[in-house]
Formats: sequence, structure tokens, C-alpha cells
Amino acid sequence: DAKTTQPPSMDCAEGRAANLPCNHSTISGNEYVYWYRQIHSQGPQYIIHGLKNNETNEMASLIITEDRKSSTLILPHATLRDTAVYYCIVRVLGNNDMRFGAGTRLTVKP
Amino acid sequence: GAVVSQHPSWVICKSGTSVKIECRSLDFQATTMFWYRQFPKQSLMLMATSNEGSKATYEQGVEKDKFLINHASLTLSTLTVTSAHPEDSSFYICSAGQGADYEQYFGPGTRLTVT
Repeated sequence: DAKTTQPPSMDCAEGRAANLPCNHSTISGNEYVYWYRQIHSQGPQYIIHGLKNNETNEMASLIITEDRKSSTLILPHATLRDTAVYYCIVRVLGNNDMRFGAGTRLTVKP
Repeated sequence: GAVVSQHPSWVICKSGTSVKIECRSLDFQATTMFWYRQFPKQSLMLMATSNEGSKATYEQGVEKDKFLINHASLTLSTLTVTSAHPEDSSFYICSAGQGADYEQYFGPGTRLTVT
């Protein structure tokens, strides 16, 4: 699986949009971009995934560049409860495992 | 959405004893489940892939005789930490896939402390 690179930490003001970047320059054509987050002492929570088109759901939006070498997860109106470690993962579809990098620790401040 | 549970949520045991952790998919069947370990301030590390009806596949460096995995049914996988030592103290998390996109759903984790 391709590796990803994320900034180790980011801060965001409550109510503002949080934009979390991820580089995946060696992504293969059949690999999807997945985002999960982990709130302290809990299991990871699925957020969103996509292949090449931008995706949006009730939690977030995923913007993938045209060359697919990077993506951005957008939390449109961050709340204090969005404070967590966010993981960007690339993987092929199928019943296979997730390989976690270091992730980005997002701190939402009042 | 799909729900994965773990039991117990936390456990304290003495060095040398064995501890069993259960992972259940509550509303779907999972032929494959995954076990991860997470040390403080670190990311999740895959330990093994649990396959229903067959032997688990372990990642390099994970002792299969120490971390026994049994996938007895399509909704239950167990991880037994045998002869636990303080260095086995960690947060153990399982996951299972569901749906056409095989989204992975994670359990809430089990915190093991070996004294």
C-alpha cells in the first residue's frame, strides 16, 4: 500500500473550517483515499473515502487533487468534539486491513 | 451503521496470566477481522488478520504463540494474550469489514494493564 504524509498537528478555532492535508504521491490507480479519526482512548471512526471525485457526507468533505497525489479533509464547522487524531489511509477496495500512519492531531480551540 | 463491540473494555491482570479479549460484529457477518495494538501516543499497528474457520495470519514480529487468535464464527473473534508481561500492556483494537466498499468498522478497544 502507498504511504501517506500528514502534518503531525494542527489547531483550529471552534466554528471555523478545519482543513487537514494528506500527501499520497505514490498512490496506485486502484487505491482509494480513506479518512478515519480517533478520539482519545476510543476505536477509530470512519469519516469518508473517495477514489478521484470529491466526496461529501454529513461529517466532512474530501477533496482529491486531479493527479490524486494529495487530498484534503474538510470539517466545515469544527466543534470541540472534533478534537482527535485524523488518519489518512490509502488502500484498495476489499476486505483488507488498514495501515495507519502517524496521523494529524487536530485540536479545536474555543 | 455497522457495530463492532469488544469485551472487556479494560482489564488488569498479573504477570504470567492469560487474558482473552472478544471482538463481535453485532449486526453483520465478518469472515475477516483484524487485530491492532496501540501503545500510548503511537499509531495503531496491525497484529494479525483473523479468518473464520482458518488460522490467523500474523504480521512480522508478532508472536503467534503468545497472541492466540480464534475466529470461531462469523461474528466472533478472540485474542488471547498468553503469559502476559508488563510490556504487553497496551490498547487492543479489532475491526471488521462490511458492505460493498468493505469499510472497516472498529471496536471501542480494550485497555490491558499487566502488573
